[in-house]
Amino acid sequence: DAGVIQSPRHEVTEMGQEVTLRCKPISGHDYLFWYRQTMMRGLELLIYFNNNVPIDDSGMPEDRFSAKMPNASFSTLKIQPSEPRDSAVYFCASSFGPYTEAFFGQGTRLTVV
Amino acid sequence: GENVEQHPSTLSVQEGDSAVIKCTYSDSASNYFPWYKQELGKRPQLIIDIRSNVGEKKDQRIAVTLNKTAKHFSLHITETQPEDSAVYFCAASNSGGGADGLTFGKGTHLIIQP
Repeated sequence: DAGVIQSPRHEVTEMGQEVTLRCKPISGHDYLFWYRQTMMRGLELLIYFNNNVPIDDSGMPEDRFSAKMPNASFSTLKIQPSEPRDSAVYFCASSFGPYTEAFFGQGTRLTVV
Repeated sequence: GENVEQHPSTLSVQEGDSAVIKCTYSDSASNYFPWYKQELGKRPQLIIDIRSNVGEKKDQRIAVTLNKTAKHFSLHITETQPEDSAVYFCAASNSGGGADGLTFGKGTHLIIQP
């Protein structure tokens, strides 16, 4: 397995534009997590899914952020409209289940100008 | 919700010496405590984890201790090497199940001086 795959690796966009980040979890993993990493706030959990169902989205900063998991092999995180303060590295991670390692993707570095 | 505090934020040690990173958590229901290592520009990767029914776990030069009463856990790295230089994150799970909703500490930048 190639591990958790995220795309794009880098994204530069203008303020107000819609941004969509993509993630393919490891096959067979039941949990999928979206994290945001910044120097100031560290690694923050935004939302996670269990068997494609969103379980906890309390970390989503505001209504501009939305996430979907239409099937077991694909998830998206969308920001609309984007703002400069959304600039960060966004990680997707997946795990087999409780008490198991969460495997992270390479991350998407988002810059909103 | 869970709150994880980690310190120090930066730790510089001489190669060959030991390094200790400490974390505290707030939710007494947390029962899964992993540690991740993140090298510059790369993804976080699990290096060791501990569950609440165990007080200590060791894997070669790395060990983790857990004190549930005091709600703190620590990472110990012995005989440090240059490749240990990275940012280390502790985390705690507050859901009663392992990987659900991990809350991370802010990270410790470990610098190994040659």
